[in-house]
Amino acid sequence: EAGVAQSPRYKIIEKRQSVAFWCNPISGHATLYWYQQILGQGPKLLIQFQNNGVVDDSQLPKDRFSAERLKGVDSTLKIQPAKLEDSAVYLCASSLAPSGGSHNEQFFGPGTRLTVL
Amino acid sequence: AQSVTQLGSHVSVSEGALVLLRCNYSSSVPPYLFWYVQYPNQGLQLLLKYTTGATLVKGINGFEAEFKKSETSFHLTKPSAHMSDAAEYFCVILGFKTIFGAGTRLFVKA
Repeated sequence: EAGVAQSPRYKIIEKRQSVAFWCNPISGHATLYWYQQILGQGPKLLIQFQNNGVVDDSQLPKDRFSAERLKGVDSTLKIQPAKLEDSAVYLCASSLAPSGGSHNEQFFGPGTRLTVL
Repeated sequence: AQSVTQLGSHVSVSEGALVLLRCNYSSSVPPYLFWYVQYPNQGLQLLLKYTTGATLVKGINGFEAEFKKSETSFHLTKPSAHMSDAAEYFCVILGFKTIFGAGTRLFVKA
């Protein structure tokens, strides 16, 4: 079974530039998550999709971050414009069904390491 | 509201010694609790999970954790550390939102 795929693995940009990350979840997984992991901290949930609808985006900085999952499969996370504090690893995860209220395991991709100069 | 607190950002043990990583939680409803491990340059991987039922749960690589409601704890243990256990460990609580602890980095000395 193929795992969660993410690209690119690394990205270096200058502040005020824009950047996009791509995630392809495990086939058949209805729920997709984007996390931000700043160095030395645990991952923080940015947004959660159920199929192509947003379940939770309460911690997404909507003035600069956006995400979509148009066909309920792969997803894109965008930052525009980037700030220095956006330097982090961006993790994508997927699960069969929503984790809230159930206990489905989340499967994580390798992450994209973003450096903003 | 729900939260998890991992006690100790770094833990160092000798090879063959007991591993104990501490996690306390706060939840107004019965929690689902997980431990994930992140090896260097690898993705997060599930070690074990507690949902309902037996309070002592066993995971991969010889790890286990015990859910103690009275102490609001879910500590992770392994009887004998191996060099390959060196990694970052995260305690996670699942409710309507997934919340990760800050993580504990485990060092294993030869």
